[in-house]
Amino acid sequence: NAGVTQTPKFQVLKTGQSMTLQCAQDMNHNSMYWYRQDPGMGLRLIYYSASEGTTDKGEVPNGYNVSRLNKREFSLRLESAAPSQTSVYFCASSDMGQRKRAQHFGDGTRLSIL
Amino acid sequence: EDQVTQSPEALRLQEGESSSLNCSYTVSGLRGLFWYRQDPGKGPEFLFTLYSAGEEKEKERLKATLTKKESFLHITAPKPEDSATYLCAVTPSDYKLSFGAGTTVTVRA
Repeated sequence: NAGVTQTPKFQVLKTGQSMTLQCAQDMNHNSMYWYRQDPGMGLRLIYYSASEGTTDKGEVPNGYNVSRLNKREFSLRLESAAPSQTSVYFCASSDMGQRKRAQHFGDGTRLSIL
Repeated sequence: EDQVTQSPEALRLQEGESSSLNCSYTVSGLRGLFWYRQDPGKGPEFLFTLYSAGEEKEKERLKATLTKKESFLHITAPKPEDSATYLCAVTPSDYKLSFGAGTTVTVRA
């Protein structure tokens, strides 16, 4: 049972390059999320998708775009990467918002921008 | 603005030495408090959800409790495999989690 799968696991970019981070879940969850994790700051929500066909901004959306491709897949795009976007990115999914279900996380994409 | 503060930042324990981690929060309308465990190089793994003051949940050597302003994660007689970063998060709405920075626990044999 794979759960939440993120690709790639590691990536190094140059400033100004673009990139799409992929996420897929096989738990038939309605809601999906993208977070970034930086040392000493905890996880911060970038964007979320409450259900297929909808997306909303989180706490730190600037510099990112998302696409909910279908119920299983939710991608995060950096159009013009900046060094401040160096971070570990986590995708998560949940059912029924968070009222009854916890969020399940992938193992992250470690992104360095030079 | 929602705030979650975890203390201490790091905790070093001897195997068998019980201790507690603290998570204090301010949130407008708490809909749930979550505890996660995170191992190095991995994503957070769900442990507990608490919904109302006075609620307690247990899993193996871990016990989580909740008051109106804070939550505690008690680790009883820890083993080296309990070494991890423990994250606390609150949810003020259906789709947003606000995380604390975590407490890194190291248990020495």
